[in-house]
Amino acid sequence: DAGVIQSPRHEVTEMGQEVTLRCKPISGHNSLFWYRQTMMRGLELLIYFNNNVPIDDSGMPEDRFSAKMPNASFSTLKIQPSEPRDSAVYFCASSLRTSGAYNEQFFGPGTRLTVL
Amino acid sequence: GNSVTQMEGPVTLSEEAFLTINCTYTATGYPSLFWYVQYPGEGLQLLLKATKADDKGSNKGFEATYRKETTSFHLEKGSVQVSDSAVYFCALTPQGGTYKYIFGTGTRLKVLA
Repeated sequence: DAGVIQSPRHEVTEMGQEVTLRCKPISGHNSLFWYRQTMMRGLELLIYFNNNVPIDDSGMPEDRFSAKMPNASFSTLKIQPSEPRDSAVYFCASSLRTSGAYNEQFFGPGTRLTVL
Repeated sequence: GNSVTQMEGPVTLSEEAFLTINCTYTATGYPSLFWYVQYPGEGLQLLLKATKADDKGSNKGFEATYRKETTSFHLEKGSVQVSDSAVYFCALTPQGGTYKYIFGTGTRLKVLA
């Protein structure tokens, strides 16, 4: 299995630009998560999808952030406009939820975002 | 609220040394406890877990025991290798099962040959 795939691996952009991060979960998984990792705040859950539906977006920092999951094999996290404080590593993770049980989350390699 | 506290890093050891990374938690009831490892340039991988008190999780020579009385889940390995160099995260999910992991801040381990 290819694992969770994220693109790009590195992104450098200027303040005010739109940034789109992409994620392909593991085939057959029905839950998808976006996390942000910074030195100051550690690893934070931004949003959780189950069966392509956003279940919990309470971690999305502000309206500049949006996430979509148009189908079971693709999700995007968009920042518009981007700001320097958005610089972080963004991880996508997927898992298989069965009969109400939340199983192990498998993480992608992350996208390192730098906003100048 | 729920929280996880890990020892500050970095931890630098020589190959074949004994490793302990401390982790304590705050949570009501009986959370599930996890150790994740992040190798350079990669995402987090589940290393081991324990879901009830006194359980011992183990994998790849690493062990951790769920201690309810001390609210701890310390990670140990008897003989580290250079390939163990990574960042280690302690985490919990609250009792009852949830998708929400509470992660510690991570401890960087560097093993020297």
